[in-house]
Amino acid sequence: DAEITQSPRHKITETGRQVTLACHQTWNHNNMFWYRQDLGHGLRLIHYSYGVQDTNKGEVSDGYSVSRSNTEDLPLTLESAASSQTSVYFCASRAQGARNEQFFGPGTRLTVL
Amino acid sequence: QKEVEQDPGPLSVPEGAIVSLNCTYSNSAFQYFMWYRQYSRKGPELLMYTYSSGNKEDGRFTAQVDKSSKYISLFIRDSQPSDSATYLCAMSHTTSGTYKYIFGTGTRLKVLA
Repeated sequence: DAEITQSPRHKITETGRQVTLACHQTWNHNNMFWYRQDLGHGLRLIHYSYGVQDTNKGEVSDGYSVSRSNTEDLPLTLESAASSQTSVYFCASRAQGARNEQFFGPGTRLTVL
Repeated sequence: QKEVEQDPGPLSVPEGAIVSLNCTYSNSAFQYFMWYRQYSRKGPELLMYTYSSGNKEDGRFTAQVDKSSKYISLFIRDSQPSDSATYLCAMSHTTSGTYKYIFGTGTRLKVLA
């Protein structure tokens, strides 16, 4: 069955360190997204990609970067982790042309000390 | 003002009750309206979606859209403890070539046995 996976599931890091969160999907979807979920804010879009070599900033992109070298993967990098980036991070994908459903990964719980 | 507003709850109801979950929105361009269910420590999963106004029923779940009032609802009949989760509304539109997909903050529901 097609799926979307994230790794690691839990991560504790220190302020100032670079962290990369992995996202891998086997749906063969062109569209991939990274969100963070915080109490009171819901899901906020960090970065998104509509295909290989395409990346775009979302509403909370400062301090984050992504790269898309193939269809299956969209890694999210925190260049210099800050305590404000402690959150649960979700990767999602959507089929090209779809207007409704996004498929979400299980999430990565990141703590920055 | 947020584009999508959703009461965070928590909402506690007895087993068998009818549950009403709601979202309001401000942008009349939204065309697709979705409801996601998110269990604790999991990613959101699409429950239902509706295009434009009207009702859609799927088993114990009914989604309702009132575009004139910019108001959407999800009704759960004969609620079960297994329905305990966070319910997120989401809506999307494509305007002038720009695609937008926005989530509400989610309502936590607890169904008591």
